[in-house]
Amino acid sequence: GQQVMQIPQYQHVQEGEDFTTYCNSSTTLSNIQWYKQRPGGHPVFLIQLVKSGEVKKQKRLTFQFGEAKKNSSLHITATQTTDVGTYFCAGGSSNTGKLIFGQGTTLQVKP
Amino acid sequence: EAGVAQSPRYKIIEKRQSVAFWCNPISGHATLYWYQQILGQGPKLLIQFQNNGVVDDSQLPKDRFSAERLKGVDSTLKIQPAKLEDSAVYLCASSPDKDQPQHFGDGTRLSIL
Repeated sequence: GQQVMQIPQYQHVQEGEDFTTYCNSSTTLSNIQWYKQRPGGHPVFLIQLVKSGEVKKQKRLTFQFGEAKKNSSLHITATQTTDVGTYFCAGGSSNTGKLIFGQGTTLQVKP
Repeated sequence: EAGVAQSPRYKIIEKRQSVAFWCNPISGHATLYWYQQILGQGPKLLIQFQNNGVVDDSQLPKDRFSAERLKGVDSTLKIQPAKLEDSAVYLCASSPDKDQPQHFGDGTRLSIL
């Protein structure tokens, strides 16, 4: 069945350093969504990418969707302690709208 | 707007007992999802409703799990009988329609003794 893999599983950075997490799907996706989950919290929607090669920015966050619509990345420039949490990508099925979540990348930021 | 409401927040039961969770989605959202999130993993979709119809329940262990959304609004998820491996957070989410961003509730943390 469809699988979505994310790397790395964990990342520790010094405040001010950059951070990138990568997401790969075994099948072509209709869309990809990114969510952030703080410790003890629930996933919160960040962004949705739909078009092949699409790039979107939200302040220090840059999201990319691959040309083949099978991979994606999230890049954070100059991390802050407020960026701490687990970042999940979720690939959308074109048939049902079902989302397959990756296992997440947990980001720790040292002040 | 009010968010997705779930209850209870926490539940502790013994194995082989039954348990039920309730979810009230955001008003007007046609699509409702139930996820299981085991510690350290991403949410796993159990069942997806479009209004009161089931769109996907391929990963729902149907011998012990059941879910309904009778009037196309709120929903219940039941486990009977519970096993130790069911210990997890059960998240409900809703979206205006399929393929759209999902809004999650706070979840129910289930512990099986």
